[in-house]
Amino acid sequence: DAGITQSPRHKVTETGTPVTLRCHQTENHRYMYWYRQDPGHGLRLIHYSYGVKDTDKGEVSDGYSVSRSKTEDFLLTLESATSSQTSVYFCAIRDSLYEQYFGPGTRLTVT
Amino acid sequence: DAKTTQPNSMESNEEEPVHLPCNHSTISGTDYIHWYRQLPSQGPEYVIHGLTSNVNNRMASLAIAEDRKSSTLILHRATLRDAAVYYCILRAIQGAQKLVFGQGTRLTINP
Repeated sequence: DAGITQSPRHKVTETGTPVTLRCHQTENHRYMYWYRQDPGHGLRLIHYSYGVKDTDKGEVSDGYSVSRSKTEDFLLTLESATSSQTSVYFCAIRDSLYEQYFGPGTRLTVT
Repeated sequence: DAKTTQPNSMESNEEEPVHLPCNHSTISGTDYIHWYRQLPSQGPEYVIHGLTSNVNNRMASLAIAEDRKSSTLILHRATLRDAAVYYCILRAIQGAQKLVFGQGTRLTINP
């Protein structure tokens, strides 16, 4: 196992509420990524981090923010959740051989 | 980002070899070819990657065309547990190592 966990695993929230998803790694890797996956789509990159306090946008970053105050934690925040953000969210870490390891996913439903 | 083209779905029988094709005609000379797969209700997992030469590991083999415009993932003896969506992805040698997932190939294994 790559030592990557996500919390919560499932969440139901209402439109307009803030939501924070957490990704935790025990591997001390520099790069971490947040993806979302929707039916009929492959994974799409939301944001990524290349070190503590160093983050950048992916292809679908609108409506999302991230923070990385410690190497082991990468947080994804939906400031005001919308129904279009109902999705499965995957976190990933990248090792020194450029392989990405993915967490188990968080299923988020915005009602 | 250079794009890849894969068949939407393929079907094979248990204990037979499976050849999953991928076209990447716009690949640059420094792009690595990565394969990931996603089992039902799980995050993607790394399968194999290569640059120019054919590669083998415990999971699969990767055959890369001489002009690098296509590649084939080979599962030598498919099992029911190999039923998954397989993604062929190009990864730039420099930068943040962002992975761009396409639709992938849904592989069905018949008993």
